[in-house]
Amino acid sequence: GAGVSQSPRYKVAKRGQDVALRCDPISGHVSLFWYQQALGQGPEFLTYFQNEAQLDKSGLPSDRFFAERPEGSVSTLKIQRTQQEDSAVYLCASSLDQMGEQYFGPGTRLTVT
Amino acid sequence: GQQLNQSPQSMFIQEGEDVSMNCTSSSIFNTWLWYKQDPGEGPVLLIALYKAGELTSNGRLTAQFGITRKDSFLNISASIPSDVGIYFCAGQTYSSQGAQKLVFGQGTRLTINP
Repeated sequence: GAGVSQSPRYKVAKRGQDVALRCDPISGHVSLFWYQQALGQGPEFLTYFQNEAQLDKSGLPSDRFFAERPEGSVSTLKIQRTQQEDSAVYLCASSLDQMGEQYFGPGTRLTVT
Repeated sequence: GQQLNQSPQSMFIQEGEDVSMNCTSSSIFNTWLWYKQDPGEGPVLLIALYKAGELTSNGRLTAQFGITRKDSFLNISASIPSDVGIYFCAGQTYSSQGAQKLVFGQGTRLTINP
C-alpha cells in the first residue's frame, strides 16, 4: 500500500519567495505531523493536525510558517518570505490515531538562496 | 525546550562488529523510540519502548528503556552493510490536547567498512 508521500521532493527558492509543500498521508490516518530537519540534526516538531483541526502549532518558528489540512487528508505547509535559515528538509508523518506509530514521508528538501 | 543528547555522533566500524549507541535526557519520557534514516528518506521506526527498565529485541537490534526514564540505549549485533545509516532516538510525550509529540536526538551516523 501507499505510504506517506510529499511533493516536491526538492525545492529551490530565492530569498523572499513564498513556497508551499504538500503532504499526502496514509489513507485513513487521522493524525498528521510536520517536522523540520536541519542538516546534520534530528527532526524538530513543527505542528500537529487531528483530522482538519490544527491542535498544536507550538513548533512553528515564526508567523511566516502556516500549515493547513482543510479536508482532513492532504496537508500543505506554507512558508512566506523565505529566509536562508529556512533551508532544511521538511518531513511529514501520519498516524492512524493520536497515539499510534508515526509513519514518515521522504521529505521535501528546501534550499533558499 | 526538551533536548536529547545522543552519542556517539558517528561510528566507523568493521562489518560483523557490534554497535552501541545511547541517548540521555534531562526530562522524563513516557516512551522511547529508535529510528533509522537512510539518505533521501524519512525515519523508519525500529524499536519502541514503553516501560522503564524494558529490554526489547528486534532481530539483531536490542534496546533498553532506562529505569530513570531519562535514557535509552540501542545495540546492533553482527553489523552488516545494510545497517549503514543515521540512527535517531526519540522521546515521546503528550501535549495538553493529548497529541503525541516526539523529541529527537541529534543522530548517530553509522559507517561500515566491508
